Amino acid sequence: GAGVSQTPSNKVTEKGKYVELRCDPISGHTALYWYRQSLGQGPEFLIYFQGTGAADDSGLPNDRFFAVRPEGSVSTLKIQRTERGDSAMYLCASSPIALGAGANVLTFGAGSRLTVL
Amino acid sequence: AQSVTQPDIHITVSEGASLELRCNYSYGATPYLFWYVQSPGQGLQLLLKYFSGDTLVQGIKGFEAEFKRSQSSFNLRKPSVHWSDAAEYFCAGGGSSNTGKLIFGQGTTLQVKP
Repeated sequence: GAGVSQTPSNKVTEKGKYVELRCDPISGHTALYWYRQSLGQGPEFLIYFQGTGAADDSGLPNDRFFAVRPEGSVSTLKIQRTERGDSAMYLCASSPIALGAGANVLTFGAGSRLTVL
Repeated sequence: AQSVTQPDIHITVSEGASLELRCNYSYGATPYLFWYVQSPGQGLQLLLKYFSGDTLVQGIKGFEAEFKRSQSSFNLRKPSVHWSDAAEYFCAGGGSSNTGKLIFGQGTTLQVKP
């Protein structure tokens, strides 16, 4: 696609529920990133993929968070047993290459705002 | 630990006035540095980037930034602000892992007075 697409744009759920957030990167972009942005803060890195594999998941806060990218394009961020502290904007970004200076040039989607009641 | 700091949480300027948003970094080596802008309901848009070379970097929308190694700073400037520049601005650093794993500052909210 022309840009990075994220769905849903808004998600309200109840504590304890399971949530999936989807990211459709720019066509042909090798690398895909997930960031989380809490209110009043800058984005924080969660995980990134080179192709289908998670190359670095060091930013995932705990084992309730998981992400997949089975075919090397669309990615899904999955959150189990949601907690109120998970409420945030979840941003996806993609990059045409996975390593090197150009890998740092990210195109971000508009984000999925998650609210856990 | 690597960090990016934006000392000003909120700045207000009059339309037509000049603007400078501050950014300081703490990295072991010279990082790649970026400025992004985020408007309500929008994703982050890249304004400009610095990898190496000329320390004065030109970006989109009339913005520029200057890398100063001696001050560990990468301040964003614009000579004349427009009302449409009101948004949140983020400085970010990368390059330590040679991937898009960036460290963001907490952001500066810019308000423009008519």
